[in-house]
Parts: sequence; structure tokens; C-alpha cells
Amino acid sequence: AQKITQTQPGMFVQEKEAVTLDCTYDTSDPSYGLFWYKQPSSGEMIFLIYQGSYDQQNATEGRYSLNFQKARKSANLVISASQLGDSAMYFCAMSVFMYSGGGADGLTFGKGTHLIIQP
Amino acid sequence: NAGVTQTPKFQVLKTGQSMTLQCAQDMNHNSMYWYRQDPGMGLRLIYYSASEGTTDKGEVPNGYNVSRLNKREFSLRLESAAPSQTSVYFCASSVSANTGELFFGEGSRLTVL
Repeated sequence: AQKITQTQPGMFVQEKEAVTLDCTYDTSDPSYGLFWYKQPSSGEMIFLIYQGSYDQQNATEGRYSLNFQKARKSANLVISASQLGDSAMYFCAMSVFMYSGGGADGLTFGKGTHLIIQP
Repeated sequence: NAGVTQTPKFQVLKTGQSMTLQCAQDMNHNSMYWYRQDPGMGLRLIYYSASEGTTDKGEVPNGYNVSRLNKREFSLRLESAAPSQTSVYFCASSVSANTGELFFGEGSRLTVL
């Protein structure tokens, strides 16, 4: 079974600074995907970024990048030039991809990091 | 763009009452999921349906049943609600069970008194 660990329950960051949200994962499967979702106070889950286990380069999406260190089993989210609107809960998640037979049973989520951007 | 639609958005139940949360997606996705979110616990998978006609238990299935009515709809039923089922429930879908990315509904906040 896979496991996601987010060790930062909460973070306070000054506006315009870069932010790194930590995520470590545990799986014995060679094929997997790592995801980050944002949940603002309004409650919806917003997909931010994806990294496949065989991707050679770190994923980037605008101000978001995923610092993927496979040997260390970490998938940290980096937000450059933080904005007030980045204040939210952030969840790291993982999906294991089966080669044959049954598919992945959804995403396994970490417990989240509550990020607060201060002006 | 409707995406994933859940109803109701809010519900208050008394212990022992039953109710069904409805979920529909219009993206022609094969796989659908029900999660619950509790403070400090992240999202935990209750049940999922990898494809039409199949359902499987997730991490926390006790006290719940599901029905994959057709490709679009996946309902979650609480037969005898308990205070421990007070939570926010999210329905999600994905193209297939192997593609990973989930598209979420807006959530349903359930309170059991």
C-alpha cells in the first residue's frame, strides 16, 4: 500500500517569497504518479501539477513546479513569487498504475499543509 | 461546464436516518470515486468504481454502500447515519483508473446529530 507524508501542518510566508511544501511518499511499485491539489477556503479541490515516476524532468505549471527526487521519494511543491490568493490547504497525492488487470484505486492523499500568505 | 455535480451540498441528519448522496459527471469518464474529508485527516477513499458495473471498497467503507447506476452516475448511501459520519464528502471522476488525475465535485457537507 502507498503512503503520503506531509510534515508541515501549517506555514506562514511573506507575500512574494518562494514557498516549498514538503511531500514524501512510500510505494514499492515502479509506476506511479504524484499530484498536488489546492483547496481554498471555498472548499473545492483544484488540480495544480502532475509528475510521473518515469518523467525525466521536473514538472512545471506557471508559478508551480514539482521538485521530484526519486531516490529520496520526495515530491515537493515549489510556488514562486507567492500571492495572497495562494493561501489555502495543499494536498500531495499519489496514484499507483497497474500494468495489467485492475487499475489504480484512486489517489492516496497526505493530510495537507495549510499555507497562509501574509502581506 | 458542469464537470462533476454533487447533491445535496448540505444535509443535516439525525442518528439512524438514511440518505443518499448523488454524483453525476458529464465528461464521459470511466472511473468514479467517493472520498470523505475530516479535519487533519486529508481525503480518504470510501468506495470507487473503476468502470461501469464494478465497485470496490476503499480505505474507509464501513457504514456506506454505493451504486454505479450508469456511466455518468455514482451514488453513496448511508443506511443508518452515525455522528462519526459527519464529514465533507467529495465525489470525483477520472478518465480511467490508470490515468490518475481526479476531477472533483464541490463537496457535500453532512452533519449527523
